[in-house]
Amino acid sequence: ETGVTQTPRHLVMGMTNKKSLKCEQHLGHNAMYWYKQSAKKPLELMFVYSLEERVENNSVPSRFSPECPNSSHLFLHLHTLQPEDSALYLCASSQGVGGEVGEQFFGPGTRLTVL
Amino acid sequence: KQEVTQIPAALSVPEGENLVLNCSFTDSAIYNLQWFRQDPGKGLTSLLLIQSSQREQTSGRLNASLDKSSGRSTLYIAASQPGDSATYLCAVKRNTGKLIFGQGTTLQVKP
Repeated sequence: ETGVTQTPRHLVMGMTNKKSLKCEQHLGHNAMYWYKQSAKKPLELMFVYSLEERVENNSVPSRFSPECPNSSHLFLHLHTLQPEDSALYLCASSQGVGGEVGEQFFGPGTRLTVL
Repeated sequence: KQEVTQIPAALSVPEGENLVLNCSFTDSAIYNLQWFRQDPGKGLTSLLLIQSSQREQTSGRLNASLDKSSGRSTLYIAASQPGDSATYLCAVKRNTGKLIFGQGTTLQVKP
């Protein structure tokens, strides 16, 4: 049990749908992350939120829209996705900011399939 | 630009063997290095974290080493078991806190 939960665990959506992924951390951390894991590629960092402010956006297309309403919750809103966006989306959290960031703890991921 | 490479991409061994997984990185200016385990379709579980000032860390049958000057880390698994079958990921942390991951080594331990 990692203390980081993600819902849903599996999601199938059409290219015209709008859906949201949810992440919740129960560890009292102040930073949260979204990663994308595609087949045969390294994990790619998408977004970083520290103290509820977005501090990093790694050239992610605007069809992915993150939201961090508080330090325990992180959302990834999806709209007009492409089939190549099918992947495992992982959420993580950590304590600290910048160089003092501690170990990241990961959720189980949401397996997204875009038809 | 920091790049992390893991060799081999896949490994199959009989139960009981000792084995070594390799990780190399191009920029030695790292904050720490972390080894993770990932089971199919699941999230990541942290195994070992080595600070940049440390040379190795041990947890049970696992031992991870770090040679920052040569840009290398190894994960040693002693007396492998079928339950060790998983993908092992290496990640280096930059001073910004960002983790850069390798592609992983998929390990199969046969009974």
